[in-house]
Amino acid sequence: AAGVIQSPRHLIKEKRETATLKCYPIPRHDTVYWYQQGPGQDPQFLISFYEKMQSDKGSIPDRFSAQQFSDYHSELNMSSLELGDSALYFCASRYALSRDETQYFGPGTRLLVL
Amino acid sequence: SQQGEEDPQALSIQEGENATMNCSYKTSINNLQWYRQNSGRGLVHLILIRSNEREKHSGRLRVTLDTSKKSSSLLITASRAADTASYFCATLKGSNYKLTFGKGTLLTVNP
Repeated sequence: AAGVIQSPRHLIKEKRETATLKCYPIPRHDTVYWYQQGPGQDPQFLISFYEKMQSDKGSIPDRFSAQQFSDYHSELNMSSLELGDSALYFCASRYALSRDETQYFGPGTRLLVL
Repeated sequence: SQQGEEDPQALSIQEGENATMNCSYKTSINNLQWYRQNSGRGLVHLILIRSNEREKHSGRLRVTLDTSKKSSSLLITASRAADTASYFCATLKGSNYKLTFGKGTLLTVNP
């Protein structure tokens, strides 16, 4: 079965650069969630989208923005990168009208800021 | 502090033994989910237990939920070296379905 796709899988950036992370949800899934997991930390919710509208916002820095497109894929844009942004970024998806409350996670994008 | 605190933080056992991990949370929830993560890799969903359920089984996994104590436990029976991973509990509350993760337990199963 198709899974959540994230690209790129690995990314190395310098401080103050920008980065764009992409997430392609499972087909028919209309809801996307972004999580950030720092080294040795638990995943933290950043932001979510349902039907192309932001549905919830967590501890996402103002330097980050995200959107969901008409094909339901989502992009997380990160500007003025800092060393502390080095983390594993996960995207998860689900179909909002499903009784299955499971979120299906992608493999993550590992971002290293030097 | 964080929703979904887990203990122990690390657990080391021998193959064939059972492993029990606990999770506590602070607010009411819709459901509680357990995830597994191999070193720095993706999150794999293991099992979901709804707030009106007390116990659930899936293969070698057994999850309990005590909403009065706001706690859950994950039992892995007859552990294998391949079970070595970090295990996270995550609670879901509200209509937006965002997950709040606990700190995780690092399980090491020695052959």
